[in-house]
Amino acid sequence: SAVISQKPSRDICQRGTSLTIQCQVDSQVTMMFWYRQQPGQSLTLIATANQGSEATYESGFVIDKFPISRPNLTFSTLTVSNMSPEDSSIYLCSVLAFTGRSEKLFFGSGTQLSVL
Amino acid sequence: GDSVTQMEGPVTLSEEAFLTINCTYTATGYPSLFWYVQYPGEGLQLLLKATKADDKGSNKGFEATYRKETTSFHLEKGSVQVSDSAVYFCAAYSGGYQKVTFGIGTKLQVIP
Repeated sequence: SAVISQKPSRDICQRGTSLTIQCQVDSQVTMMFWYRQQPGQSLTLIATANQGSEATYESGFVIDKFPISRPNLTFSTLTVSNMSPEDSSIYLCSVLAFTGRSEKLFFGSGTQLSVL
Repeated sequence: GDSVTQMEGPVTLSEEAFLTINCTYTATGYPSLFWYVQYPGEGLQLLLKATKADDKGSNKGFEATYRKETTSFHLEKGSVQVSDSAVYFCAAYSGGYQKVTFGIGTKLQVIP
């Protein structure tokens, strides 16, 4: 299994500011993802964090708004830039770990973001 | 890409009732299938999984069988408890797309 430490666990931010969320994994993993879970909604994939190259963003998400870094196989950051109240959500780091011939997706505890 | 269709909630059951939460998927090839659970105020936890047709995943009294012919992975439990109250997410992973697709989540409320 993979243990994921995500921080901050929650924050309250002002409109127009930026917040960087950190994700640390206790083992080297190839696949790291950032998800958003809006209140009462399912998980929406923001992007795949690629080690050593630019992240791969899903439709509706852009690098200017959600810049992602992945300097190595155990760490990634997601920045929510120029925030607005619509960005209020839970942001989740996850990793895909392969165990034997199967895979499992593990999640961090999430960052609950409120934008005023 | 893949898609996962999950029954909408909320589902309200009395304790010891039988639970079924439907989930179907659309994918090219044969994805791995998962059920995740999110208890109130907590993060997502993997509940069970199945990686190929006819596999049955089970955990904590919950079961789901990978049905290729109906592209389904319905979650079942014979006797629910109040502590099972949570949101349940069905998910699919295809190696080709290298990402996990989630259903909308089904909120289960079990009343004593």
